[in-house]
Amino acid sequence: DGGITQSPKYLFRKEGQNVTLSCEQNLNHDAMYWYRQDPGQGLRLIYYSQIVNDFQKGDIAEGYSVSREKKESFPLTVTSAQKNPTAFYLCASRGPVRGIENIQYFGAGTRLSVL
Amino acid sequence: GQQLNQSPQSMFIQEGEDVSMNCTSSSIFNTWLWYKQDPGEGPVLLIALYKAGELTSNGRLTAQFGITRKDSFLNISASIPSDVGIYFCAGRDRSNTGFQKLVFGTGTRLLVSP
Repeated sequence: DGGITQSPKYLFRKEGQNVTLSCEQNLNHDAMYWYRQDPGQGLRLIYYSQIVNDFQKGDIAEGYSVSREKKESFPLTVTSAQKNPTAFYLCASRGPVRGIENIQYFGAGTRLSVL
Repeated sequence: GQQLNQSPQSMFIQEGEDVSMNCTSSSIFNTWLWYKQDPGEGPVLLIALYKAGELTSNGRLTAQFGITRKDSFLNISASIPSDVGIYFCAGRDRSNTGFQKLVFGTGTRLLVSP
């Protein structure tokens, strides 16, 4: 089945540790996104990528890093510089601008907690 | 970052009742989207609206794109227990660069009593 796969579902981070969240899609979408969701709030954009080997900061990029070496994959690293990393992280991808797939589809999310 | 004003924040209703929620923005959007999120899952698209004034239905759900392009509403008729979840609106701006940025509402939490 086509879709977006995020792993792991749950992740724990120790103080000072970097952790990487995986996002893989087999929808052949060019654009991919990472969002952070906190309780009672909407989704906030961390990073986005419109094409392989290119990515841009979103509204809350500090303490995070990404890479886009393959079209299918857009991993997010939560670095030790992110002082409040506990949140639900959502990855999304979007199809071509000039098509019916010009909609963002989301993965099932990764819940990150600090030990 | 900008967020949309979504109301109400939460609703607790009886099964069979109709529900209405809305979203307002200070900015104009060229697309409005409504998503539903179940606990511990990612949002799932319910309805997409592309034209001002557009009224679109998806089963028991009906959504409208406001004439001013600054608001949208979602109605759910004859609610059932599986309608429980958080409903998010999202507006997409007019960028012509190909970068599609969504601005999300703060969500409406719906609880349905059997």
